[in-house]
Parts: sequence; C-alpha cells; structure tokens
Amino acid sequence: GIQVEQSPPDLILQEGANSTLRCNFSDSVNNLQWFHQNPWGQLINLFYIPSGTKQNGRLSATTVATERYSLLYISSSQTTDSGVYFCAVAPSYSSASKIIFGSGTRLSIRP
Amino acid sequence: GAVVSQHPSWVICKSGTSVKIECRSLDFQATTMFWYRQFPKQSLMLMATSNEGSKATYEQGVEKDKFLINHASLTLSTLTVTSAHPEDSSFYICSARVRGLNTRNSYNEQFFGPGTRLTVL
Repeated sequence: GIQVEQSPPDLILQEGANSTLRCNFSDSVNNLQWFHQNPWGQLINLFYIPSGTKQNGRLSATTVATERYSLLYISSSQTTDSGVYFCAVAPSYSSASKIIFGSGTRLSIRP
Repeated sequence: GAVVSQHPSWVICKSGTSVKIECRSLDFQATTMFWYRQFPKQSLMLMATSNEGSKATYEQGVEKDKFLINHASLTLSTLTVTSAHPEDSSFYICSARVRGLNTRNSYNEQFFGPGTRLTVL
C-alpha cells in the first residue's frame, strides 16, 4: 500500500519563528488533506490540497503531485499552533474514499 | 458547516462490558463515515468504513465481531466495542465524508469528530 512519511517528527520553536513541515507519499493520490490535532485530540481541517498552493492567514500549503510531496508552512508561530500536524492522502489506485495518515509532526511553540 | 459530533467524549467501563459510541454529522448528510483508533503519541489507524444502509468494510486485522458498526441513517453511525478489555483502551475518532464537490471546492473531504476516550478497567 501507499506509504506516507512526514518530517520532521518533532519540532520545537520559539514564538514568532517560521516552520516548514513535509509530507512525502509513495504513489499518486486523488486527495491530500492537512490537519492540526490540538491537545484535546480534535482534528482541525487546515487544507484540502491534492495539487497547487493555498494560503489561509499565517498558514499555506503546496502540493507537487508529480513529485509526490506536500509542504505546510507556518509563519510567525504562536503558542496555539502547538500540537500534531498530520497529512493524509487518498491513493488513486483505491476506489474507496478512505485516507491514509502519515505519522505526524509534533510541533511545540515556546513563549 | 461540516460539523461532526461524537458521544460520549469519554467513557470508563469494566472489563467485559460493551460500549457504544455515536458519530453524527450535524449539518450535512454523510453516506460514508469512517472509524479510526489512535494510541498515545501515534497516528490515526483506520478501523472500518461505514456505509449507510450496508455492511461496514473492515480493515485487515480489525475484528468485525469485536467492533460492531451500524450506519442507520445518513447522519448517524455507531461503533460498539463488545466485551471490552483493557487492551481496547484507546482514543476512537470518527469522520464523515462530504460526498462529491462541496462549497469548499473540495472533493470527498473528510471532517472529524472530537473523539471518544475509552478506558477499560
């Protein structure tokens, strides 16, 4: 099956810093989503981005489908950005609409 | 839009009892819902796909007689953990798929409930 790898696994930053999180996937995909899991466990949809670039406030994401990777950029980090960031993909070879999660990047923003 | 609720948010039960978790799509109809399990400091693992009006599709290694799924309506799916044991303790999360192209200009995007933390004593 498809492999989804995220890097780095852990990231500790000072408030105000910028960061780039990466998601590599081993096969073509129909769907790619980025999520933020807050300390209470809720997954928050950040981006639906199977290709191209999107921006939402301090966050932006780029997916290069032909090269099988996606990047999530966080600028001017705030302590509320702490948590785990997951990417999840729907493989093109699967007719089902299920998505496969990467292992996540745990982000800690220090005041 | 695209709000998914779960109930209960947490439950503690004795070994051998059964526990039912509800997942509801509040402002949209979901013909397909998904159930995930997450252990501490790990990623989400898909357990099963729940389709309204038909049997659930379980992932390899998930016992269908242990984890009963019922998708009775377009807004409700339930997961029943039968004869729970301490190793079933985990964080269970459901999601609902917004079928086709939606107002967010996304296709088959999934939205997640807040999760249910199950502790089996």
